[in-house]
Amino acid sequence: KAGVTQTPRYLIKTRGQQVTLSCSPISGHRSVSWYQQTPGQGLQFLFEYFSETQRNKGNFPGRFSGRQFSNSRSEMNVSTLELGDSALYLCASSLERGGAYNTEAFFGQGTRLTVV
Amino acid sequence: AQTVTQSQPEMSVQEAETVTLSCTYDTSESDYYLFWYKQPPSRQMILVIRQEAYKQQNATENRFSVNFQKAAKSFSLKISDSQLGDAAMYFCAYRSLTSYGGATNKLIFGTGTLLAVQP
Repeated sequence: KAGVTQTPRYLIKTRGQQVTLSCSPISGHRSVSWYQQTPGQGLQFLFEYFSETQRNKGNFPGRFSGRQFSNSRSEMNVSTLELGDSALYLCASSLERGGAYNTEAFFGQGTRLTVV
Repeated sequence: AQTVTQSQPEMSVQEAETVTLSCTYDTSESDYYLFWYKQPPSRQMILVIRQEAYKQQNATENRFSVNFQKAAKSFSLKISDSQLGDAAMYFCAYRSLTSYGGATNKLIFGTGTLLAVQP
């Protein structure tokens, strides 16, 4: 079955612009999480969505936002881009059913964002 | 807040030999999950092995096994019979069972260990 799909794979933006990244989870997965990976800060949790509701949020400024659609696809948006937003953005999806918490996170290949 | 520490930024192992990657964590929770993820140059994170904190038995997946010491809050990964394809960045990760009374899939990662495999 198809894995987690992130689009686009690479993106170059200018400071001050905004960007939208997309994540399509594995079919049937309702939980989607986003992470930012940089050489300096490592992997940091951005937010988590489940059934169109934000369930958890990391310590990022309000310029970072996200949403999840009824088909579980998720988007994250970064407004007023800064040079420090250059990073690999990873999306992960998980299957949750009937309160079962024993779920594995499957990651996409990421979107490499470069802000110039 | 939970934290995960990987004190070995880089490790090297000869092909066919055994290597152990270290991970310690800090938490006040009694139930949680621990994971080792592998990130090759392709950047896709791949789950290597998972350990539930309530299970005393150490998890094993083929050539990969863990040494889970709950009291010491230690979770090391042993790779036996190392292969060239094992070369990658390895991340230790922690996941709470719940967050604010609800489920969560949020992962807290360590800083990673870059493993090189010498032929």
